[in-house]
Amino acid sequence: SQKIEQNSEALNIQEGKTATLTCNYTNYSPAYLQWYRQDPGRGPVFLLLIRENEKEKRKERLKVTFDTTLKQSLFHITASQPADSATYLCVLRRNTGFQKLVFGTGTRLLVSP
Amino acid sequence: KAGVTQTPRYLIKTRGQQVTLSCSPISGHRSVSWYQQTPGQGLQFLFEYFSETQRNKGNFPGRFSGRQFSNSRSEMNVSTLELGDSALYLCASRGGGPSNEQFFGPGTRLTVL
Repeated sequence: SQKIEQNSEALNIQEGKTATLTCNYTNYSPAYLQWYRQDPGRGPVFLLLIRENEKEKRKERLKVTFDTTLKQSLFHITASQPADSATYLCVLRRNTGFQKLVFGTGTRLLVSP
Repeated sequence: KAGVTQTPRYLIKTRGQQVTLSCSPISGHRSVSWYQQTPGQGLQFLFEYFSETQRNKGNFPGRFSGRQFSNSRSEMNVSTLELGDSALYLCASRGGGPSNEQFFGPGTRLTVL
């Protein structure tokens, strides 16, 4: 079956450290992958997109990698801050199939001062 | 530009009733998608509308339906409500930029008793 998986357990790190979140998928051939941030009681907010032919994308303190061989994307936040505490969603866009966008269940990040 | 708005923000219904949720996309956006978010399942895609036509549909029963008007505003209807329909319903609009970014509304929290 086709799945997209993110760590369901919360990730706790100290302020200033680098947070690394993982997104693994099986049996998909994604056209691209997106990362969103969601705060409690609010809709997700787009952060970054990385295409299948790209290895790495950066935006300020954020970095995303995409390994289509391992079927994995890593999302890094460097110099993390308590304000980065939120749930981060991995979203995959399929090349084929009726339901084009598939969301992971998200990983909750907690950054302690 | 004003963001995506959804009404109502909170709703309590009883089993067997029906409900209509409304979404106003960002001005100029013609694509509107609907999602159901529950703690266990994460975001599940319901359907996408573009220029008043349903373009994609997720794996939900026929009790879930939607439509889009000529001004791109969209409504979602759920008939014969079940307890399991309790969720956060999110609407997202897309303008077709290079990042294929979706702009999410704050959601409607539906509770079915």
